[in-house]
Amino acid sequence: KQEVTQIPAALSVPEGENLVLNCSFTDSAIYNLQWFRQDPGKGLTSLLLIQSSQREQTSGRLNASLDKSSGRSTLYIAASQPGDSATYLCAVMDTGRRALTFGSGTRLQVQP
Amino acid sequence: NAGVTQTPKFQVLKTGQSMTLQCAQDMNHNSMYWYRQDPGMGLRLIYYSASEGTTDKGEVPNGYNVSRLNKREFSLRLESAAPSQTSVYFCASSARGQGHGYTFGSGTRLTVV
Repeated sequence: KQEVTQIPAALSVPEGENLVLNCSFTDSAIYNLQWFRQDPGKGLTSLLLIQSSQREQTSGRLNASLDKSSGRSTLYIAASQPGDSATYLCAVMDTGRRALTFGSGTRLQVQP
Repeated sequence: NAGVTQTPKFQVLKTGQSMTLQCAQDMNHNSMYWYRQDPGMGLRLIYYSASEGTTDKGEVPNGYNVSRLNKREFSLRLESAAPSQTSVYFCASSARGQGHGYTFGSGTRLTVV
């Protein structure tokens, strides 16, 4: 059974700081990995999707990396802003089940 | 706007009552999913439908049933609601294939008293 772990569970940083969110998964047989953002009381917004054959994806100030062999992914946020405050969720799609397995998320607070 | 639409957005049920959560997508996606989100536990898969006419159990299917009515619609039914089913429910869809991500609905906040 795939298990996804996110560290830290919560993070508070001052505006402008670069930060890294970590995600690990137990089964390396994945199709892809996605990072989502969730604002309080809202649904999930997809940020980045990394296919199993890729090493990283970038979108604006966000960069996600994938090391499938070690079961790890990181989300790098450059020059953080108060608007980045949200919960960030990592999820992997297994080859067998064709459905996403989620981590419990990292709650980020960026202080102005 | 294209996307995944869930109804209702909020619902309060008494223990033992039944209800159906509705989900529809207009992106011509093959696969649809129901997740529940509880505090501190992330999202857990209840049921999914890889294509029209097929459904499969996820991690936490007990107490739920689903119907893939057609390619657009995937409903989740609680036959006899229990307080343990108090949660936020999300529907999602995805196109078939490795390179396609998920689109989520805005969620249904269900409270069972």
